[in-house]
Amino acid sequence: QKEVEQNSGPLSVPEGAIASLNCTYSDRGSQSFFWYRQYSGKSPELIMFIYSNGDKEDGRFTAQLNKASQYVSLLIRDSQPSDSATYLCAVNAGSNYQLIWGAGTKLIIKP
Amino acid sequence: SAVISQKPSRDICQRGTSLTIQCQVDSQVTMMFWYRQQPGQSLTLIATANQGSEATYESGFVIDKFPISRPNLTFSTLTVSNMSPEDSSIYLCSVGALDGPSYEQYFGPGTRLTVT
Repeated sequence: QKEVEQNSGPLSVPEGAIASLNCTYSDRGSQSFFWYRQYSGKSPELIMFIYSNGDKEDGRFTAQLNKASQYVSLLIRDSQPSDSATYLCAVNAGSNYQLIWGAGTKLIIKP
Repeated sequence: SAVISQKPSRDICQRGTSLTIQCQVDSQVTMMFWYRQQPGQSLTLIATANQGSEATYESGFVIDKFPISRPNLTFSTLTVSNMSPEDSSIYLCSVGALDGPSYEQYFGPGTRLTVT
């Protein structure tokens, strides 16, 4: 069974520091990897996706993918209180475009 | 990214009744999905809505309980039938968009359902 694992947290990070969120997946055939942010009471919002090994940067966010070790991570630089949310990792391995979801990591940025 | 709207945004329903949730997208999309999210939990895929044919349901979800329609590439409905308190949840419409080799999936604002 295909699985995506995340630490549920909460992960507490001081304002201005780097928040590091991790995700591992079981299916070696996985090809696409996504990070979503979900504020309480809101729907998930796509913030990053990555397909190739290495780093992908977008503003304060960096996604890192290591297919050999089957993990993907999200770094948030200069963390702000507004970054406090649950971060969901999702992986697509098949041709039907369905995503396999992690349980999410709750991130708290402390002023 | 596609703009997705859902109606209603929330509802309180009595047990044994049915509710139909509508999902409208501002552009034609190939993939549409319906998810459920229980409070404090991650997302559970209910089904893939197929245009012009029967939806593809995930394990644990059946058409009699969650009938889905998708008459065209911009619209879908999910009905929650014969509701019980266990159906209280947030129901989310999601669309998948292909842009060359890239694939992205976006969510509507959700429908918060409470069954009493």
